[in-house]
This record gives sequence, C-alpha cells and structure tokens, in this order.
Amino acid sequence: KQEVTQIPAALSVPEGENLVLNCSFTDSAIYNLQWFRQDPGKGLTSLLLIQSSQREQTSGRLNASLDKSSGRSTLYIAASQPGDSATYLCAVSHNNAGNMLTFGGGTRLMVKP
Amino acid sequence: NAGVTQTPKFRVLKTGQSMTLLCAQDMNHEYMYWYRQDPGMGLRLIHYSVGEGTTAKGEVPDGYNVSRLKKQNFLLGLESAAPSQTSVYFCASRISLSEQYFGPGTRLTVT
Repeated sequence: KQEVTQIPAALSVPEGENLVLNCSFTDSAIYNLQWFRQDPGKGLTSLLLIQSSQREQTSGRLNASLDKSSGRSTLYIAASQPGDSATYLCAVSHNNAGNMLTFGGGTRLMVKP
Repeated sequence: NAGVTQTPKFRVLKTGQSMTLLCAQDMNHEYMYWYRQDPGMGLRLIHYSVGEGTTAKGEVPDGYNVSRLKKQNFLLGLESAAPSQTSVYFCASRISLSEQYFGPGTRLTVT
C-alpha cells in the first residue's frame, strides 16, 4: 500500500526566505505527483503536476522536483511572502482503475512579515 | 467556467437524518471523487466514478452511497447520519491521469 509522508509537519519562516518542503512515497511505481495548496477553510488548489518521466516543474516562484527512484519530491518556494502561508499537500497517482490519489499529511507553512 | 462546485457549503444534521451532497463540474471530466478531510487523518477517498453510470468504493465507503446519473454530477448520500460523519467533504474531478481539481468543500456537522 502506498504511503506518502511530508516533513516537516509545520514550518515557520521570516518573509524573504527560500524554503524547501519535502514529500516521500514508498511505492515508486507512480504515474505522476501533484502539489496542492490549501488555505484555512478552503478547498485544494493545484500548484504543480509532475509526470513520472519528468524531473521538475516550475511555476513562478515555485519549483517542484521529482526523484521517482528514491521516492522523493521537493517543493521549493523562492523569496517567501506572507501570502504563501497555507498548508501544502503532495499526492501521488497510480495508473490503476480509478487513477486515485494518495495524499501526504501536509506541511503547514507560516511566513512571518 | 465554474470548475467544480459543491452544494451546500454548510449543513448541520441530527443523528439518523439523511442528506445528499451535490458535486457538479463543467469541464467534461470523466473521473469524479468524493473525499473527507478530518484533523490528523488527512484526505481519505470515500467513493469515486470513472464515468457516467459507474461508481466504485474508495478507502472509507461505509455509511455513504453515491450516484453518477449524469457525467457532470456526482452525488454523495448519507442515509442515516452519525456523529462520526462530522467532517469536511470535498469533491474532485479530472481527466484520466491529469491534474485533479477540487471543489470548495462542504462542512457537515452531525449532532
């Protein structure tokens, strides 16, 4: 059974810092990996999708990398801002009947002004 | 293009009452999903559908039923609500193996 772990569970940084969020998964036979952002009381917003054949994806100040063989992904946030404060979730997808996602527990990020 | 919408946003039920949560998507997605999110438990899949007229069980299906009579709609039913079903419910949709898009959620309290 696939297990997805995110470390750290919570992170507090001063504004302007570059930071890295980690995601690891136990079964490397994934089809793709998706990073989401969730603001308190809101739904999930997709940030980046990395296919298993890709090594990284970039969107603005966000860069996600994938090392499928070692079962790891990182989300790099450059020049963090208070507006980046949210919970970040990673999820992996397998090419199974429902293409279901397995989620990590999330990293709760606080960026202080 | 509204994306994924959920109705209602909030609901309070008494134990034993029934209700239906509606999810609608306007992106012509084949796959639709219902999740629940609980503190310390993360997101867990309840049921899913790979197309109109099809449904399947996820990780935590007990106490819930679903129907997908139209491609754009996915209904989640609670026949006899229990306090353990107090949660935030999210609907999501996707084209096969593409990005999954989520609705804003329904906050349900069962007293």
